[in-house]
Amino acid sequence: GAGVSQSPSNKVTEKGKDVELRCDPISGHTALYWYRQSLGQGLEFLIYFQGNSAPDKSGLPSDRFSAERTGGSVSTLTIQRTQQEDSAVYLCASSLDGGAADTQYFGPGTRLTVL
Amino acid sequence: KQEVTQIPAALSVPEGENLVLNCSFTDSAIYNLQWFRQDPGKGLTSLLLIQSSQREQTSGRLNASLDKSSGRSTLYIAASQPGDSATYLCAVRVHNTNAGKSTFGDGTTLTVKP
Repeated sequence: GAGVSQSPSNKVTEKGKDVELRCDPISGHTALYWYRQSLGQGLEFLIYFQGNSAPDKSGLPSDRFSAERTGGSVSTLTIQRTQQEDSAVYLCASSLDGGAADTQYFGPGTRLTVL
Repeated sequence: KQEVTQIPAALSVPEGENLVLNCSFTDSAIYNLQWFRQDPGKGLTSLLLIQSSQREQTSGRLNASLDKSSGRSTLYIAASQPGDSATYLCAVRVHNTNAGKSTFGDGTTLTVKP
């Protein structure tokens, strides 16, 4: 089957605008993760979903960031009032059930540029 | 707070050489450790996952080991090939059933010269 897909692949926006990033996990995967990768910052965890609930939101950098997951499948990461420091590649991953033997499979990412 | 360090940051070897990449972590109460490769401009590809209770995993020319007590993991690549050139990342997940966070190292960029 298909892997994790993300859209758009690239997004350029102006400072202060809101953006929505979408992630389609592998079918049947209940666990879903969002990360971002910035130059000089490495890969940074944002949020973890198990089904539709998010037991771990510890990585969200500010209240401008939010995410939801509906139907235990598609997830949307929303960034409100974007700032230049939000520029990064946003990566989504999914795994079967979040267990210890669970491999995370990553999507290709969305490159966000805030002008 | 879990911290993950990868040494060296970059490595260049001739084709055919065996090599070892290192990953160290500060908190030994881990759930699992996963090795990934990342090609330029691409997402991450999973290579091997080692559960907390395991000591090593093997896939083809790759072997990953885990020593929780010393906070170390190694990724051994045998008979390296130019196609192995990529950035290799290790990620450590904390031992908490509700915590999805994986902490990543900054990676080792490997170049295998023909």
